[in-house]
Amino acid sequence: AQSVTQPDIHITVSEGASLELRCNYSYGATPYLFWYVQSPGQGLQLLLKYFSGDTLVQGIKGFEAEFKRSQSSFNLRKPSVHWSDAAEYFCAVGASSGGYQKVTFGTGTKLQVIP
Amino acid sequence: NAGVTQTPKFQVLKTGQSMTLQCAQDMNHNSMYWYRQDPGMGLRLIYYSASEGTTDKGEVPNGYNVSRLNKREFSLRLESAAPSQTSVYFCASQGAAPTNTGELFFGEGSRLTVL
Repeated sequence: AQSVTQPDIHITVSEGASLELRCNYSYGATPYLFWYVQSPGQGLQLLLKYFSGDTLVQGIKGFEAEFKRSQSSFNLRKPSVHWSDAAEYFCAVGASSGGYQKVTFGTGTKLQVIP
Repeated sequence: NAGVTQTPKFQVLKTGQSMTLQCAQDMNHNSMYWYRQDPGMGLRLIYYSASEGTTDKGEVPNGYNVSRLNKREFSLRLESAAPSQTSVYFCASQGAAPTNTGELFFGEGSRLTVL
């Protein structure tokens, strides 16, 4: 069974600073990997995904993530954080089974942005 | 563009009462999912429906039942609510492989409180 670990529960960064959120996964085959963002009181929105090809993936809102198979990691990065990036971020791994994917989420990292 | 619609958005129940959370998607997706979100635990899969006519248990199915009414609709029922079921519930849908690579589309959530 697949699993995801997000070691940081809460991170605080200054506006304009760079950001890296950590994610480690466990899955026997080639994983499908995702990052979702959740603003307060909202559902989850996909930031980016990886399933094959270039290991550096670009997403929306200026985010990127790098898949490193040797480290079983899929860390999310942003060069310069904006106050509107304050939200909770979830890493997820998908396991293919026939025509669908069962997606397992990490416990999330809450990002606080200070002026 | 409705996407995934959940009702109700808020509900308060007394212990032992029953209720059904409704979910509908208009994206012609094959697969639908129910997750619950609790602080510090991320999203945990309750039940899923890989395709119309099938349902399967996820990680935390106890105390819940589901019905895939048709391709659009997937309901979650609490037969006898317990305080431990106080949570935010999310419905999600997913298109079929190979064109869809596992992205989940989420509703806005249903906040349930059991007293």
